[in-house]
Amino acid sequence: AVQLTQSPSSLSASVGDRVTITCRASQGVSSGLAWYQQKPGKPPKLLIHDASNLEIGVPSRFSASGSGTDFTLTVSSLQPEDFATYYCQQFYFFPLTFGGGTKVEIK
Amino acid sequence: QVQLVESGGGVVQPGRSLRLSCAASGFTLSSYGMHWVRQAPGKGLEWVAVISYDGRNKYYADSVKGRFTISRDNSKNTLYLQMNSLRPEDTAVFYCAKDYRSEGSNLDYWGQGALVTVSS
Repeated sequence: AVQLTQSPSSLSASVGDRVTITCRASQGVSSGLAWYQQKPGKPPKLLIHDASNLEIGVPSRFSASGSGTDFTLTVSSLQPEDFATYYCQQFYFFPLTFGGGTKVEIK
Repeated sequence: QVQLVESGGGVVQPGRSLRLSCAASGFTLSSYGMHWVRQAPGKGLEWVAVISYDGRNKYYADSVKGRFTISRDNSKNTLYLQMNSLRPEDTAVFYCAKDYRSEGSNLDYWGQGALVTVSS
């Protein structure tokens, strides 16, 4: 199975900070990658589809890039509602797999 | 609006079976692949299974292959997960999720989840 390694596993940041999360795949997944945001007690929410496409309704401060094995999710100016855990997920190969998550906490 | 509502969770003894259901509304179920994803308490997300829009193709995580079966009834707008030979490590919140496309891709809508606890 494709392993997705997210880094960092957690980070502390302040409102207004620029935050970047990386996701590295153990083998190339082309653009078959999505990013999700999850808040405690809630289901995940799709932020980015097909590696770099902003899901409808998601604020433009979120952006993503990458292809193959290296991907990034960037929040340009962190807002209070962005404190959450973020996951990447690949769908280029079965079984589908998720990264271990990155918890973004308030500094 | 798209709505996914899981049911059938609960407490079950190791080795027993349980069937989860996911009632879908607000979209044409027969056009999309559907998934089950689980999350153990305090842990990350683990993909479990996917079924294609027409039910012909099914794929599973290695951890559940041979024990879990995903199915769908498009006429009833319902997705199912039959879980047999349950183990304590299957304890998790199980989410059903809609695929962006017909089989396996991004998951664009999620239910609120059903808690399954495997314990004696």
